[in-house]
Amino acid sequence: EDKVVQSPLSLVVHEGDTVTLNCSYEVTNFRSLLWYKQEKKAPTFLFMLTSSGIEKKSGRLSSILDKKELSSILNITATQTGDSAIYLCAVGGATNKLIFGTGTLLAVQP
Amino acid sequence: DAGITQSPRHKVTETGTPVTLRCHQTENHRYMYWYRQDPGHGLRLIHYSYGVKDTDKGEVSDGYSVSRSKTEDFLLTLESATSSQTSVYFCAISGAGGLGFSYEQYFGPGTRLTVT
Repeated sequence: EDKVVQSPLSLVVHEGDTVTLNCSYEVTNFRSLLWYKQEKKAPTFLFMLTSSGIEKKSGRLSSILDKKELSSILNITATQTGDSAIYLCAVGGATNKLIFGTGTLLAVQP
Repeated sequence: DAGITQSPRHKVTETGTPVTLRCHQTENHRYMYWYRQDPGHGLRLIHYSYGVKDTDKGEVSDGYSVSRSKTEDFLLTLESATSSQTSVYFCAISGAGGLGFSYEQYFGPGTRLTVT
């Protein structure tokens, strides 16, 4: 059975800290891994990583895909209170569907 | 933001009543999805559509049906609502226009459904 596991389930940091969120997967015929940010509304797309694009960066956020370890990390540097959200990892495999992890709840304190 | 709307945005209904949620897109994307989101479970796929009149089941499809008679509209129906279907429901579309496919999905604003 395909599955995506995220860790930690939650964490609390202070503004300015750097955080690393983890995502591991067991998905048949892996195609892509996506990261989403969800505040008190719908998830918003951050990155998509594939075999041809294993590293992405946007401002203070960056992500790396490790196909050997079947995992990915999402790094956020110099965190701000606006980074507080649930971060979702999703993986696309043999079908045209995404399998989502349960998310990591990040709280950034002033 | 992708042109996706959902209606209603909030609904309270009684056990045993039928409920229909609507997802409307203006992006002309082929693929549309219905998810539910519950604490501790993340986003779970209910049904999805890969074209007009073409639909398939997701991992939590029991108690739900869908229809897609036009590219822009994807309807989710709870035939007889139960308290276990109290949840937040999200519609999503894939990121490629026309007949294309991309794993990038863009989400509507969600519908909060409470079944009493």
